[in-house]
Amino acid sequence: QVQLVQSGAEVKKPGSSVKVSCKTSGGTFSSYGISWVRQAPGQGLEWLGGIIPILGTANYAQKFQGRVTITADKSTSTAYMEMTGLRSEDTAVYYCARARYYDSSGNHYESEYWGQGTLVTVSS
Amino acid sequence: EIVLTQSPGTLSLSPGEGATLSCRASQSVSFYHLAWYQQKPGLAPRLLIYAASHRATGIPDRFTGSGSGTDFTLTISRLEPEDFAVYYCQHYGNSPLTFGGGTKVEIK
Repeated sequence: QVQLVQSGAEVKKPGSSVKVSCKTSGGTFSSYGISWVRQAPGQGLEWLGGIIPILGTANYAQKFQGRVTITADKSTSTAYMEMTGLRSEDTAVYYCARARYYDSSGNHYESEYWGQGTLVTVSS
Repeated sequence: EIVLTQSPGTLSLSPGEGATLSCRASQSVSFYHLAWYQQKPGLAPRLLIYAASHRATGIPDRFTGSGSGTDFTLTISRLEPEDFAVYYCQHYGNSPLTFGGGTKVEIK
């Protein structure tokens, strides 16, 4: 079955960067979109962006454009999310999630499979 | 960007009762591209409904999604103890994807 395993928790200083990995197994990696979603403590879900590995280009929420970079390595079936210029408000659990469906449109679809989450803490 | 507004913020109900959760979009959602997720504390979200009304694999039939355009509803016919959680709606398809603020279904 499809599994997504994320890298471990990180503690970062304000102004630094973090890169979270998401290794997938089962299913076809390249065709299905991978989204990155975060959840600040006690708050709701927020979509950062996503990538469809076979297309190679990522889409971002405007709020994160220029500060988040999402990439995918087809050879290892691993997706990455890098965030720069970290601030305390970026403290959150970051999830990767794989879409249930794909087509040739380049759209991102609903997320059926989720990683376990990676806690990123930004503190001086 | 489509803004999703969920109501109510909290529903206090007893097991066995029915629940009706609302999700309103700031503009029409194309192709019924609306999903519902359930999230329990400390866990990742779980996909319940996609394309507004299609249950995801393994989701019991007490969960029903409906709606179109700008108004969508998740109905839970008879609440089981494991259904008390937070529920989110999500618009997908054209980027950016967006989530509603969530509805917490708590035990009365």
